[in-house]
Amino acid sequence: DAKTTQPPSMDCAEGRAANLPCNHSTISGNEYVYWYRQIHSQGPQYIIHGLKNNETNEMASLIITEDRKSSTLILPHATLRDTAVYYCIVRVYNTGNQFYFGTGTSLTVIP
Amino acid sequence: DTAVSQTPKYLVTQMGNDKSIKCEQNLGHDTMYWYKQDSKKFLKIMFSYNNKELIINETVPNRFSPKSPDKAHLNLHINSLELGDSAVYFCASSRVDTEAFFGQGTRLTVV
Repeated sequence: DAKTTQPPSMDCAEGRAANLPCNHSTISGNEYVYWYRQIHSQGPQYIIHGLKNNETNEMASLIITEDRKSSTLILPHATLRDTAVYYCIVRVYNTGNQFYFGTGTSLTVIP
Repeated sequence: DTAVSQTPKYLVTQMGNDKSIKCEQNLGHDTMYWYKQDSKKFLKIMFSYNNKELIINETVPNRFSPKSPDKAHLNLHINSLELGDSAVYFCASSRVDTEAFFGQGTRLTVV
């Protein structure tokens, strides 16, 4: 049960910022928001995660709303290699807990 | 060094056969997973193991039997293969409080 909602597809011009939204309105206080992406049929690749605060790493930024019911993944300067399916996942830390993948957003970066 | 490695990468077999997919991780993680990605690209959790013990079995047919000889390995054995078992199978590992790392997948084709 994914517990997240994402738009099925988005386009972004190369060099522009890609903003990928995710709704997780039923998130509980101890659940983290994770983002992964999958390029073609490769294994999913971790991007970033956060609990309450906004996070940034070398790949992307994660903006989480104050009520934590939604978040946005930002790829600051999209390249053609960023074309992939992006998954937003909520996860609580306990033994053996898994990462539930929803349907994701298929991002196409256009030259 | 590959963090999570699966073998084989491709597997073509006839209906009714028994086959195994091997997975090894060298990250020192204590939790390992098997996911199935079908033709519709939906990634579904199958099993979760923590310290060699089964934690989650997501209503997978009992023809699928995971085996964890040690924390670094989680193999998937499938009996009496059916056409519907054709999919890409991903192994992954994580700690309780970290992101999961995924293997590159095993594309299983049952003919």
